[in-house]
Amino acid sequence: QVQLVESGGGLVKPGGSLRLSCAASGFTFSNYYMRWIRQVPGKGLEGVSSISSGGDITYYADSLKGRFSISRDNAKNSLYLQMNSLRAEDTAVYYCTRALSGGLDVWGQGTTVTVSS
Amino acid sequence: QSVLTQPPSVSAAPGQKVTISCSGSSSNIGNNHVSWYHQLPGTAPKLLIYDNNKRPSGIPDRFSGSKSGTSATLGITGLQTGDEADYYCGTWDSGLTNMVFGGGTKLTVL
Repeated sequence: QVQLVESGGGLVKPGGSLRLSCAASGFTFSNYYMRWIRQVPGKGLEGVSSISSGGDITYYADSLKGRFSISRDNAKNSLYLQMNSLRAEDTAVYYCTRALSGGLDVWGQGTTVTVSS
Repeated sequence: QSVLTQPPSVSAAPGQKVTISCSGSSSNIGNNHVSWYHQLPGTAPKLLIYDNNKRPSGIPDRFSGSKSGTSATLGITGLQTGDEADYYCGTWDSGLTNMVFGGGTKLTVL
């Protein structure tokens, strides 16, 4: 079945780095835009970053430009988010999502990132 | 503060109808498709409506979406206790070049 599985979250100190991964299965990964969405516990959803199906076009939330980098490996059906210079306010559940026209039709279960000393 | 504006909460009795509004601007709702999601505690959001008014396979026709100008509305008829959840609207913002969402609306079925 169509599935997205995130990994790579954890506890990191302020200023540290993490690389999130998302393994896709059950669909032709290379045909879809993908997006990372995050959610601070108890709060709303926030768009983090998007990448085109071929990986040549990327978008980022203004507050994250220069610190986060999105990439994908279509041969491995995988999406990545490299997060550098992490701050306490980056603490959230990070979701990998598949973009369908005007919506996000497949969501992973989420991976938790905690930035704390 | 969210780019899109939703009421924090709505409530209605079982069997009744409720609507949830989502207000934005020309850079987001006004020129892009709107989607709606619901989220149960501890779970990932699930797509309810995409392209303003389309339902993915498996979503009952009790759920409907509409858009007019820079606002969108989610309608739910025949409310069930299982519909209690947080509901979010979302769309692409052409100016921010990012996916934006409303702050979420908590639905209570009394």
